[in-house]
Amino acid sequence: KQEVTQIPAALSVPEGENLVLNCSFTDSAIYNLQWFRQDPGKGLTSLLLIQSSQREQTSGRLNASLDKSSGRSTLYIAASQPGDSATYLCAIKRVLDMRFGAGTRLTVKP
Amino acid sequence: DAGVIQSPRHEVTEMGQEVTLRCKPISGHNSLFWYRQTMMRGLELLIYFNNNVPIDDSGMPEDRFSAKMPNASFSTLKIQPSEPRDSAVYFCASSPREGGGEKLFFGSGTQLSVL
Repeated sequence: KQEVTQIPAALSVPEGENLVLNCSFTDSAIYNLQWFRQDPGKGLTSLLLIQSSQREQTSGRLNASLDKSSGRSTLYIAASQPGDSATYLCAIKRVLDMRFGAGTRLTVKP
Repeated sequence: DAGVIQSPRHEVTEMGQEVTLRCKPISGHNSLFWYRQTMMRGLELLIYFNNNVPIDDSGMPEDRFSAKMPNASFSTLKIQPSEPRDSAVYFCASSPREGGGEKLFFGSGTQLSVL
């Protein structure tokens, strides 16, 4: 059973475009949701954390939203750059564990 | 701060051998997590510790896997005996608060290949 789903699995856009990555989850009883970035051969870097009581978080060109009732989160990247190319994963924190999605592999072409 | 430090960076071993992966969390962090990442299964939680105590090890695949955290600055994940299907990237992560209610900080991972 896929508890955290990310769509699309891969995305390729030209530089400068605004884009949205989607994350859906089946368990609404979450403590928080995090968006991570993973570069090839590297570990994960936490980008944004949204507590269950919050609706969105912003950091620079990144904005993440959370709708617990519908089990959805989006990561909005404004004015994308080639350096944004990476895999983006979302993860939900539950009582005992944290579940990750499979990620969206983003390529930003110069 | 040096971040979460994992060693070795790469490990190649033969089936049946014992493998020990090491992790040093960020100083002052109370929670430590071990994850395994594969193409087929994505990122899976194996075990996590709060204040050096194992809280949930339901993700540990078999008795061949064991993890310890003898003190706040060191943890090991051991596989004995290793099998080819254990080949994966193993990540250690730490978090400032109990249960990971804050951001997770990941190490660079150990790429394990079991031949």
